[in-house]
Formats: sequence, structure tokens, C-alpha cells
Amino acid sequence: GNSVTQMEGPVTLSEEAFLTINCTYTATGYPSLFWYVQYPGEGLQLLLKATKADDKGSNKGFEATYRKETTSFHLEKGSVQVSDSAVYFCALKGNTPLVFGKGTRLSVIA
Amino acid sequence: DARVTQTPRDKVTEMGQEVTMRCQPILGHNTVFWYRQTMMQGLELLAYFRNRAPLDDSGMPKDRFSAEMPDATLATLKIQPSEPRDSAVYFCASGPSGSTEAFFGQGTRLTVV
Repeated sequence: GNSVTQMEGPVTLSEEAFLTINCTYTATGYPSLFWYVQYPGEGLQLLLKATKADDKGSNKGFEATYRKETTSFHLEKGSVQVSDSAVYFCALKGNTPLVFGKGTRLSVIA
Repeated sequence: DARVTQTPRDKVTEMGQEVTMRCQPILGHNTVFWYRQTMMQGLELLAYFRNRAPLDDSGMPKDRFSAEMPDATLATLKIQPSEPRDSAVYFCASGPSGSTEAFFGQGTRLTVV
């Protein structure tokens, strides 16, 4: 079945540091890939998505590239801010509803 | 600003009691999902509907959980009887026809004591 594996957290970074959160997936066919973000006490919000191989999704300075050859969709940001502190979920959607990774908690300190 | 609305936001109940969680999907969205979030299991799909018809509820414990859509503006998730292991945050999400996206509500935090 479809599954998503993402790096365990928590991740703690200083403001303006570079962020990478790794995500790999297992799926049949050609799924769409997503990153969702969850702020404290809130539901999940779509951060970015990519629907086919080599697509790059980007939003709010975050980006991720759909790599079919490595079955990966790593999230990156060049310079994190304190306001980026949240839990980040990698997800995929094939012919079934969204399947999520376990989430990675990011804390950014000033 | 269209959003998925869930009620209640928080619920504390005693073991054995019935719990009903409600969700109002975004107007015009025809697909509705119920997810459960726990520290141990992360986000698990419980059930989902398309055009009010249940498509998959294999993620739900059938003996105590039930999900329905009485109409296009309301989805419900019931637990009867509730148990301490049901303590979690329950999210409803909706999506438009033909889209891969899902829009999440703020969740119902359930605590069963």
C-alpha cells in the first residue's frame, strides 16, 4: 500500500538557518505529493504540492521537488523564521485519500 | 473566507458515554474525510464520503464508531460507548470534486476519562 516516511523530529534551528525535512514515499502509480503544516491548536493547512515528477512546489519561501527516481519530496527553506515553528507533514495521494507521514516538529529560536 | 467548521472544539467525557462530533464542510465540496490524530499513530483515515455516500470506513472500529452525512452540509462521527483509548484529536476535511486537495477543520480534541 501507499506510505510516507519522514524524518523524526524534533528539529530545532536558529533563525535564518537552512531547513531540510526529508520525506520519501512508497506508492503504486503516479501519486500527487504534498506538504501540510500544523500550527499549535490548529488544523492542517496545505503548504505546497506537486502533481508529477520533476515538479517543484513552492510557497512562503518553502519548496520541494518531486523526485521519482529517489521517491522523495524533501522540504527546504533557505532562511527560517520563528513564525515557521510548527509541525510539518508530508503526504501523498494516489487513488486513495491522503496518506500522511508521522510529522516533524520544527522549533525555530531567535 | 470558506472553511471547514467542526464542533465541539474540545470534549471531555466519561468512559461509556456517547460522543458526537460534527463537521460542516466547505459549501460545494463533495468529498468529506474523517481523520484521527494521536501521538503514537499520527494521522489515520477513519472514513470518507463522496456525494454523501460512504466510500471507505475500514479505518473505523465498527463496533463503536459510526459516520454519517445526513445532508450535504453536515457530517457526523459518533462513538458509542467511548473508551479512554479513543482520546485523540479528530479532524474533518473536505475537498472539491476532481481535486487532490483537502481542506481541514480545526479539529475536535476528545478526552475520555
